[in-house]
Amino acid sequence: SQTIHQWPATLVQPVGSPLSLECTVEGTSNPNLYWYRQAAGRGLQLLFYSVGIGQISSEVPQNLSASRPQDRQFILSSKKLLLSDSGFYLCAWSQYFSYNEQFFGPGTRLTVL
Amino acid sequence: DQQVKQNSPSLSVQEGRISILNCDYTNSMFDYFLWYKKYPAEGPTFLISISSIKDKNEDGRFTVFLNKSAKHLSLHIVPSQPGDSAVYFCAASEYGNKLVFGAGTILRVKS
Repeated sequence: SQTIHQWPATLVQPVGSPLSLECTVEGTSNPNLYWYRQAAGRGLQLLFYSVGIGQISSEVPQNLSASRPQDRQFILSSKKLLLSDSGFYLCAWSQYFSYNEQFFGPGTRLTVL
Repeated sequence: DQQVKQNSPSLSVQEGRISILNCDYTNSMFDYFLWYKKYPAEGPTFLISISSIKDKNEDGRFTVFLNKSAKHLSLHIVPSQPGDSAVYFCAASEYGNKLVFGAGTILRVKS
């Protein structure tokens, strides 16, 4: 069966510090991968998605970037965090042929102080 | 521009009664709809889906209804249980493209 891992579970970072969140998927090949953010009291906002190694699409202009160095690894990064980057970050995957049924990781709670 | 709207931020229901969560959309090209359930500090989990060629889909206590002319779908939970207390997200996609999520509805089932 497929599993998705995200770490860390919680993170508190000062403004201006760098960020690296990692997501890995097991039990499937060539998945579509996604990064979402859930800000307080709001829905899920798609930040990035990837249909293959090195292929990243950005949905909204922002202070963050994403990379996919391996088939089942997806990384969310920032060089300098802003207060507005605080939120709950979720990684998800779907089968390569469909964006529809997505399966989410446990999420990372990021607090920027 | 919110293409998927969940206009009720929260809903409170007595255990054993029906919970009805609503979702409206504006994009008539959406052809696949999903409901996700999310507990605090966890990722959403897929609950049930419906294709635009259907108007109803059932899975145990959960039924999703789709009214294409009204661009409206609803999730019915019968009977509601305390463990159903969570945030419910409606999502939609157009021809297999990326999901668009609503803002979510917090369901509280009181025992």
